[in-house]
Amino acid sequence: DAGVIQSPRHEVTEMGQEVTLRCKPISGHDYLFWYRQTMMRGLELLIYFNNNVPIDDSGMPEDRFSAKMPNASFSTLKIQPSEPRDSAVYFCASSSHTGGTEAFFGQGTRLTVV
Amino acid sequence: EDQVTQSPEALRLQEGESSSLNCSYTVSGLRGLFWYRQDPGKGPEFLFTLYSAGEEKEKERLKATLTKKESFLHITAPKPEDSATYLCALHGVTGGGNKLTFGTGTQLKVEL
Repeated sequence: DAGVIQSPRHEVTEMGQEVTLRCKPISGHDYLFWYRQTMMRGLELLIYFNNNVPIDDSGMPEDRFSAKMPNASFSTLKIQPSEPRDSAVYFCASSSHTGGTEAFFGQGTRLTVV
Repeated sequence: EDQVTQSPEALRLQEGESSSLNCSYTVSGLRGLFWYRQDPGKGPEFLFTLYSAGEEKEKERLKATLTKKESFLHITAPKPEDSATYLCALHGVTGGGNKLTFGTGTQLKVEL
């Protein structure tokens, strides 16, 4: 398996624009997580899904953030409208309840909002 | 609320100089404690899972240990390629599913 795949790797956008980040989890994993990493706050869990269903979105900072998982092989994290304080590295990770609870991370998307 | 505190924030070692990284935690019930390695520009890479006090796991120059209040990542005779940020993460009973709480990491630099 190629691991967790995220796109794009880098995104630069202007304040107020819509941004969509994409993730393909490892095949067979039934948990998917979206994290945000900054120097100040480290890795923060935004939302996670189990079997494509959002379970806990308490980490989503504002209504400007939304996430979907239409099927087992694809998820999106959308920010609309984007703001400079959203600049961070966004990671997607997946794990399996049968294969151990360790999460496997993608390479991340570095988002810069100017 | 589950909490994870890592120390030191940064550590500089000479090649071959052994040391330990600390991860202190508070949790209502521990399901697992995880160690990850993160290289610049990459996602965290899984290293170890520890489930109960007294448990130890090893991989090459790394050994992770666990007590009821903290975990240590011991690095024996480190090499420059061990330079990375090491993250500790907690899976507690209050964290449904496979939800993890991460510490802010220890940035390790190993010099020749």
